Amino acid sequence: KAGVTQTPRYLIKTRGQQVTLSCSPISGHRSVSWYQQTPGQGLQFLFEYFSETQRNKGNFPGRFSGRQFSNSRSEMNVSTLELGDSALYLCASSLAPRGGVLSSGANVLTFGAGSRLTVL
Amino acid sequence: GEDVEQSLFLSVREGDSSVINCTYTDSSSTYLYWYKQEPGAGLQLLTYIFSNMDMKQDQRLTVLLNKKDKHLSLRIADTQTGDSAIYFCAERRTGGSYIPTFGRGTSLIVHP
Repeated sequence: KAGVTQTPRYLIKTRGQQVTLSCSPISGHRSVSWYQQTPGQGLQFLFEYFSETQRNKGNFPGRFSGRQFSNSRSEMNVSTLELGDSALYLCASSLAPRGGVLSSGANVLTFGAGSRLTVL
Repeated sequence: GEDVEQSLFLSVREGDSSVINCTYTDSSSTYLYWYKQEPGAGLQLLTYIFSNMDMKQDQRLTVLLNKKDKHLSLRIADTQTGDSAIYFCAERRTGGSYIPTFGRGTSLIVHP
């Protein structure tokens, strides 16, 4: 069973540019979550998509956006890059069925290896 | 303060036991998780415990949960150099999003 695939693994951008990162979840997983990891802030939740809809959102500015396609693949976009956006961006997928919290069990997340973004 | 707190570093000698501690704030947390992140990789689930359990053991790993003190620990027996990694504690709460909240991670350094 293939794992969560993130592309690209590494990229370098300059301030003011934009970037798009891609995530292919495990087959059958309908939920995709995105996290930003930095040494100073740790693991920060960006957003979660389920069935092409953003279902949960973290506390990030509007420059950070995402979407999910009908095949559950997801992309996130960061516009007008700042130096502080340099980070490892992690994607995670889970089964997370639609419905109540109690019905979703342990909701184990499976993470990809991440996309390391450096902004110069 | 933060919702999930962990100490940032732990250094142990190879062969000793490691104990990584975590405190959380929400008494309604249903599941508590331990994830491991090796250099250059994403997070990998090690184990999780449901809130009605006090302890869970899986080979060299022992998870202890003290709900009264909102304290979770991960014990690694016979720690090896391959256990050097960052360990994240996470909680999932009831009554809202089931997205887990992660701590900042504890860097475990195992030296010979």
